[in-house]
Amino acid sequence: AQSVTQLDSQVPVFEEAPVELRCNYSSSVSVYLFWYVQYPNQGLQLLLKYLSGSTLVKGINGFEAEFNKSQTSFHLRKPSVHISDTAEYFCAVSGSRRDKVIFGPGTSLSVIP
Amino acid sequence: GAVVSQHPSRVICKSGTSVKIECRSLDFQATTMFWYRQFPKQSLMLMATSNEGSKATYEQGVEKDKFLINHASLTLSTLTVTSAHPEDSSFYICSASTGVGGRAFFGQGTRLTVV
Repeated sequence: AQSVTQLDSQVPVFEEAPVELRCNYSSSVSVYLFWYVQYPNQGLQLLLKYLSGSTLVKGINGFEAEFNKSQTSFHLRKPSVHISDTAEYFCAVSGSRRDKVIFGPGTSLSVIP
Repeated sequence: GAVVSQHPSRVICKSGTSVKIECRSLDFQATTMFWYRQFPKQSLMLMATSNEGSKATYEQGVEKDKFLINHASLTLSTLTVTSAHPEDSSFYICSASTGVGGRAFFGQGTRLTVV
């Protein structure tokens, strides 16, 4: 079975500063990894995904994440955040079934003007 | 990308009534659909997996008689919350995929409020 840990439940950051949202996973099988964003009162939007290949994955809105198998991590980064990045961010994992997604507890990113 | 539509986006119902939520894949055939529940300020918890034409598989702790799932066609799955109570108030999200190996596409969610 897979599980996901997001150590930071809330991350406040000033506008134009860099941010890193941490994600660690556990799995007994090869995994697929995802980051989703949820804006207030909205559904989910896929930011980026790691399926195979290059461990550095670039997504939408200037976000990127790096898959580190030895540390079982998939941290999300952005070099300069905007107010519009304020949202809930979910790290997620799936195993042999890529479509069956298990979500982490989420990290609330608040960008301070 | 593929589009998954959920309807309604918001619903308010009286305690004791039943509510049906629809999840449709608009431009692809979804052999598998998943239903998630999200409590306020919490993560999404997988409730069940439904495969077209067969019974849904429920996650541990989810009452199958409470949350009825029907996946009668390759483009439609429904979740019916029966005899709803205020504690059933939540955000329900579905996802659809073409099956094992396929990617999941999420709907926009349905906010259910039971009064």
